[in-house]
Amino acid sequence: EADIYQTPRYLVIGTGKKITLECSQTMGHDKMYWYQQDPGMELHLIHYSYGVNSTEKGDLSSESTVSRIRTEHFPLTLESARPSHTSQYLCASRSGGSNQPQHFGDGTRLSIL
Amino acid sequence: AQTVTQSQPEMSVQEAETVTLSCTYDTSESDYYLFWYKQPPSRQMILVIRQEAYKQQNATENRFSVNFQKAAKSFSLKISDSQLGDAAMYFCAYRSGGGSQGNLIFGKGTKLSVKP
Repeated sequence: EADIYQTPRYLVIGTGKKITLECSQTMGHDKMYWYQQDPGMELHLIHYSYGVNSTEKGDLSSESTVSRIRTEHFPLTLESARPSHTSQYLCASRSGGSNQPQHFGDGTRLSIL
Repeated sequence: AQTVTQSQPEMSVQEAETVTLSCTYDTSESDYYLFWYKQPPSRQMILVIRQEAYKQQNATENRFSVNFQKAAKSFSLKISDSQLGDAAMYFCAYRSGGGSQGNLIFGKGTKLSVKP
């Protein structure tokens, strides 16, 4: 099993709040990813990072931001949460080999009231 | 751009029987990787099986095997001797190989139910 952790697992919060979703991995992986997934639907890449101080936007436009100050840590922040941000957010990481799979965290289910 | 299509939103199988989940993809690349991921309800997404495009031999992992047809751009997953624990969403995914950045492109998923 991969060691990648997301907190919190569930979050219900009001509109306008600042939110940070945490993601940490202990495998030393240089590549990390954030996906957004609505219930029963496919995953959409919203951010990725290939190493410290590297961040890129994914295929799906998102109002969230990310940072990568340390290899093991890749937090996602919403400055002002809105109901449209309600979704599940999945974090993943992988090592650099071309054939290496992504390892996923348990996800954070976010509900904005 | 590459795309991944899973044409079966839902499938059902009887326990101990065999089921095949379909996946097709579109690409002009010759070097790539294909994956099947399993996502049980409210649980972590895990890798089921992977296939390198340059390998002709179909990948197998215990009860899970793939039928990789490169010319047809097809990558189906066969689950033999289905178990109740196999019930989950299954996602097919594509990743470019070579010098690409290697982001995964997912299909919409197939929800598999296993009947006791």
